[in-house]
Amino acid sequence: GAVVSQHPSRVICKSGTSVKIECRSLDFQATTMFWYRQFPKKSLMLMATSNEGSKATYEQGVEKDKFLINHASLTLSTLTVTSAHPEDSSFYICSARDGDKVTEAFFGQGTRLTVV
Amino acid sequence: GQNIDQPTEMTATEGAIVQINCTYQTSGFNGLFWYQQHAGEAPTFLSYNVLDGLEEKGRFSSFLSRSKGYSYLLLKELQMKDSASYLCAVRDSNYQLIWGAGTKLIIKP
Repeated sequence: GAVVSQHPSRVICKSGTSVKIECRSLDFQATTMFWYRQFPKKSLMLMATSNEGSKATYEQGVEKDKFLINHASLTLSTLTVTSAHPEDSSFYICSARDGDKVTEAFFGQGTRLTVV
Repeated sequence: GQNIDQPTEMTATEGAIVQINCTYQTSGFNGLFWYQQHAGEAPTFLSYNVLDGLEEKGRFSSFLSRSKGYSYLLLKELQMKDSASYLCAVRDSNYQLIWGAGTKLIIKP
């Protein structure tokens, strides 16, 4: 299957700082990428959908100014958690859709963010 | 509203068979997915159903009945490494994935 690489896999940051998470599709062009957040023992919560070259579409309740998403190319989307707080600590996962294969969404490895 | 229901937790014995059910109510239907997720890792794709019937892939099979809004994932010859959460997700009319809360499967020797 197609490969989606997410980096970093783990990050610890101080409160008030910003953290950038990258999501790359390695062997296909991802016209659409999705950012999820997952709390312990909970299902995936869609945060936003990003389309290459346009502004991301955020789900209700997700702060656009806090979770900045950029999808500047067909292979890269970034999520920046700005002014991080301990409650932002979570598991963030990206997925990418290969436009030619609408049957699957390919996931990155996930990023465990801990804000101290 | 949109809703995906699956059992929270199931326990099975190594070598046995287990069936994980999923019922859904969504605005539109463009396929149902099953994913496996080990603790601390991202989900990995297991199966996709868009037409009624059974899709078999090795030890794993997935069944869909669109009229009943129902699917199940069947795992045969269970191995200890199958201990994981299994997520059911439906792609709605907007091509967004609606996720179930996942079923934690515990395999005992």
